[in-house]
Amino acid sequence: GAVVSQHPSWVICKSGTSVKIECRSLDFQATTMFWYRQFPKQSLMLMATSNEGSKATYEQGVEKDKFLINHASLTLSTLTVTSAHPEDSSFYICSAHDPGYIQYFGAGTRLSVL
Amino acid sequence: KNQVEQSPQSLIILEGKNCTLQCNYTVSPFSNLRWYKQDTGRGPVSLTIMTFSENTKSNGRYTATLDADTKQSSLHITASQLSDSASYICVVRGGRGGADGLTFGKGTHLIIQP
Repeated sequence: GAVVSQHPSWVICKSGTSVKIECRSLDFQATTMFWYRQFPKQSLMLMATSNEGSKATYEQGVEKDKFLINHASLTLSTLTVTSAHPEDSSFYICSAHDPGYIQYFGAGTRLSVL
Repeated sequence: KNQVEQSPQSLIILEGKNCTLQCNYTVSPFSNLRWYKQDTGRGPVSLTIMTFSENTKSNGRYTATLDADTKQSSLHITASQLSDSASYICVVRGGRGGADGLTFGKGTHLIIQP
């Protein structure tokens, strides 16, 4: 079936550095992908919508300069956490829906900022 | 306001026993409802998807029901196994929720004890 691949699965970085997370749709083209953040024992919170060939759309309260999104191709979206700080430590998940609007999620990336 | 409420918040049962998880929603208009299983540190994986006209759908030991009139869904797990320990998230598509068109429940944290 359709698969969304996310990489890396776990990253540790020093405070002040930037981290890039990749999200790929393997079996279908995705003009739109979504990025979520999840805190322990909480549900997924939509951060932004990644649009192929145009600017991402951010949810209220999400800093676009902190979380840079690039969707340069129909199968790849990237989320870059810039100048990461310990409060950015979280579980980040991407998703995409296939042409039938069935939503598939990546395996997630656990970010730990020291 | 679109809402998805799940109960119980957490549940502990013995291996081999059955259990039922509940999901009530107020999303309108309704498109479909999905149950996802999320293992700790992983992304959500779809178990079932149900549309307005479907009352019951099974996927192995998982059986989902939907009552579109009362806006309730349940997920029944039969003969539980240790690997069933996870969070189970009810997600409804429709309404005028987020940009992804989805409203997430907070999940039920299920623990299967040997």
